[in-house]
Amino acid sequence: DAKTTQPTSMDCAEGRAANLPCNHSTISGNEYVYWYRQIHSQGPQYIIHGLKNNETNEMASLIITEDRKSSTLILPHATLRDTAVYYCIGGKEYGNKLVFGAGTILRVKS
Amino acid sequence: EPEVTQTPSHQVTQMGQEVILRCVPISNHLYFYWYRQILGQKVEFLVSFYNNEISEKSEIFDDQFSVERPDGSNFTLKIRSTKLEDSAMYFCASSGARIIGSPLHFGNGTRLTVT
Repeated sequence: DAKTTQPTSMDCAEGRAANLPCNHSTISGNEYVYWYRQIHSQGPQYIIHGLKNNETNEMASLIITEDRKSSTLILPHATLRDTAVYYCIGGKEYGNKLVFGAGTILRVKS
Repeated sequence: EPEVTQTPSHQVTQMGQEVILRCVPISNHLYFYWYRQILGQKVEFLVSFYNNEISEKSEIFDDQFSVERPDGSNFTLKIRSTKLEDSAMYFCASSGARIIGSPLHFGNGTRLTVT
């Protein structure tokens, strides 16, 4: 499983874009980058994933560098409810055993 | 949107007792998982299950633990003789058929307290 590195914590003002970086320099060519979040000890919630192209869904955008060594999760208009721990995880195509790190604590402040 | 549901939400048991944690995965999913999270720590993988057998397990998942899919809809985790250190949130997850990049969907967990 690809090891990822994320900042311990970040703050973001409500209504602004939250940009969460992740380094995954050891990711292999067929491993996806998955982003999950965990709000206050609830179950982890899937956000988005990508292989090499940038991706967007109703929750977020994922920008993956061309060399696939890093990525950025973008929450375009952060709200207080986006306060959570965000995890960047490298994983296989399916049947994934996800390995969670410590993630990034995102605090959205009014 | 379909959900993974877990019961009970909170289970209190005495040390040495057996507990069964129950999960109903999303109905057309084929891969099933249990994770746990000790308070203040990382989410840890316990076991994955596919095609009615364990496909992978962690070193945490010792002989005290077992999983079962008894009836094609439920997925259970049994801890045979609980220890104090088994106190944690236990999360069930499932993922779909062999869809490219099929993400895991997690339930909201069962908080197990061993006294």
